[in-house]
Amino acid sequence: TQLLEQSPQFLSIQEGENLTVYCNSSSVFSSLQWYRQEPGEGPVLLVTVVTGGEVKKLKRLTFQFGDARKDSSLHITAAQTGDTGLYLCAGFALNTGKLIFGQGTTLQVKP
Amino acid sequence: EPEVTQTPSHQVTQMGQEVILRCVPISNHLYFYWYRQILGQKVEFLVSFYNNEISEKSEIFDDQFSVERPDGSNFTLKIRSTKLEDSAMYFCASSPDRAYGYTFGSGTRLTVV
Repeated sequence: TQLLEQSPQFLSIQEGENLTVYCNSSSVFSSLQWYRQEPGEGPVLLVTVVTGGEVKKLKRLTFQFGDARKDSSLHITAAQTGDTGLYLCAGFALNTGKLIFGQGTTLQVKP
Repeated sequence: EPEVTQTPSHQVTQMGQEVILRCVPISNHLYFYWYRQILGQKVEFLVSFYNNEISEKSEIFDDQFSVERPDGSNFTLKIRSTKLEDSAMYFCASSPDRAYGYTFGSGTRLTVV
């Protein structure tokens, strides 16, 4: 069974701080996606990474795919209160044909 | 921006009743999916659908579940005889490729009483 482990599960920081969320697996994925989910809503895609070692930036968010395509990280620089939410990683594996999700990281940014 | 539309947003049903959850995927997408999220738990894959047939399904997707694309725009999930443990948010998604580009709907909250 393929699993994606996210850490930490909960993170509470002050506005202006930096943070990193990790997404790890023992499986290889052909793509790794990061989503943000608001309460009562569906996940909204932030970015997709497909190449080992790939780095993508979305304003203050930096996403990295591990060289072996088994892990990924999301780094937020100078967090703002608007960054508060649930962040999900999801990986697609060719051998299963399924997109599976990690359990999520709940981020709270305090003013 | 194109959207995936789900109806109803909330459904309450008696245990043992059949429910049909409806979705309108993005029109030029080829792959369609159903996921569910039990309160406080992670988003779980149920089924993927391509070229008018199921391409992958999870262990959760047993004989009580079925999917259908009855016309060119709708994609439905039917639960034949609901159980209390079927209570969850059900998300429909579609994508142009099975590996990326997923767009999720806002979900249907199913409550089985």
